[in-house]
Order: sequence, then structure tokens, then C-alpha cells
Amino acid sequence: GAGVSQSPSNKVTEKGKDVELRCDPISGHTALYWYRQSLGQGLEFLIYFQGNSAPDKSGLPSDRFSAERTGGSVSTLTIQRTQQEDSAVYLCASSLGGGLNQPQHFGDGTRLSIL
Amino acid sequence: DQQVKQNSPSLSVQEGRISILNCDYTNSMFDYFLWYKKYPAEGPTFLISISSIKDKNEDGRFTVFLNKSAKHLSLHIVPSQPGDSAVYFCAASAFSSNTGKLIFGQGTTLQVKP
Repeated sequence: GAGVSQSPSNKVTEKGKDVELRCDPISGHTALYWYRQSLGQGLEFLIYFQGNSAPDKSGLPSDRFSAERTGGSVSTLTIQRTQQEDSAVYLCASSLGGGLNQPQHFGDGTRLSIL
Repeated sequence: DQQVKQNSPSLSVQEGRISILNCDYTNSMFDYFLWYKKYPAEGPTFLISISSIKDKNEDGRFTVFLNKSAKHLSLHIVPSQPGDSAVYFCAASAFSSNTGKLIFGQGTTLQVKP
């Protein structure tokens, strides 16, 4: 498809397990972002990738969270030793370039539920 | 510290009337603002944006107004249609961030009644 693709669409797991979330950005988009939306809240920035530059990890809430972007395309967000407060919708977005004035296009998200 | 605030959680308007959604921000470094629309179980969809060098941007039925002195922006939808019923998020970014990362408000749920 032409849009941002995320998988899985839903994930239910037990507290303490590790999870991996995947994002396929729009082809040709060099910038990739991860956000999360907790219940009743706005979107919260997690991490940003742009080309070969060092990622901006300033939004990651703890060292249990990490992300990679391989080959400048697909990205995975990994949460280790999940906690119940990690339950949220995790959204990936991509844009033509990093920086300003480039609208970010979002995938439909992964709904993560920690039991 | 909520840098972008949408103080109205919900808004209900009649089809054909104007919908006005409001957003306030506190960070004077913000210089690019966007509105997104979100349907349930879908990702946010970009609607319209405005740079701080402008005070108005229009795209069809959607107009965004920016008042920098008041640190306030609004989205006008005229005429409103039932298909506009969704959650609307405003977002802001700052050139100084050098990344374009967006700071979002909490969202306003718009209901347009037929």
C-alpha cells in the first residue's frame, strides 16, 4: 500500500514480557517518528529517525524502550519487561524529510495491552 | 507540563453550521502548527498546517487562524458535515528542535449532527 504500515494491529501480552512493534514508512520518506497515545491523552513523542543521523531519543520514557531503523526504511520499537502503564496505542509516522513544514503521515497504530 | 492545550474535550454542531475548534500553546518557540483528524481505530490524518509567518491558511472548508500574541490557534470548518465527526488534534513544532517532532494537544471530539 501507499501509506504507513504498522504491525501487529493489536498485541496482548503479559506483564514482564518483551514486545516488538514494526513500522513500514511510506516509500521515499526519510524521516520516521514513533508516538504513543495513552487512553484519553494526546500523542506523546517517543523517538525520531532521519537518514543516517543519530536518532532523537528524547521522548523514550525509560531504558526499557528502544528502537531501530534498518536500511533507512523499516523500524522496530522494542519494549522490554513490559509494565501495565505501557498499555497504549503506538503510532508510527513518516515524512518526506526531517525538520519543519513536512506533514507527518501516520499509520493506524498498534494497540498494546499489558495484562 | 502541557505545552499544547485543547481545553474543550468535545463539541457538537448542526450540519451546515460552522465548527470552531480551539488550541492554546505556551512555548513561544513553536513556529509551525498542524491540525489532524482521527477516526476510531485509525491513525491521525493530516488536515491543514500554518507557519508562524502567517495568520491564516485556508484549504476548502478548513481554515486555520493563528494569533501569535495570544498563543492561540483555531480551526474553522464551514459548512460542517456529518463525515467531519472525529477527534481533532492540534500539534506544534519548533525550528529549534531540528527534528520536526510534534507536540500534540489532548484532542477535541467533534460531533456533527444531521
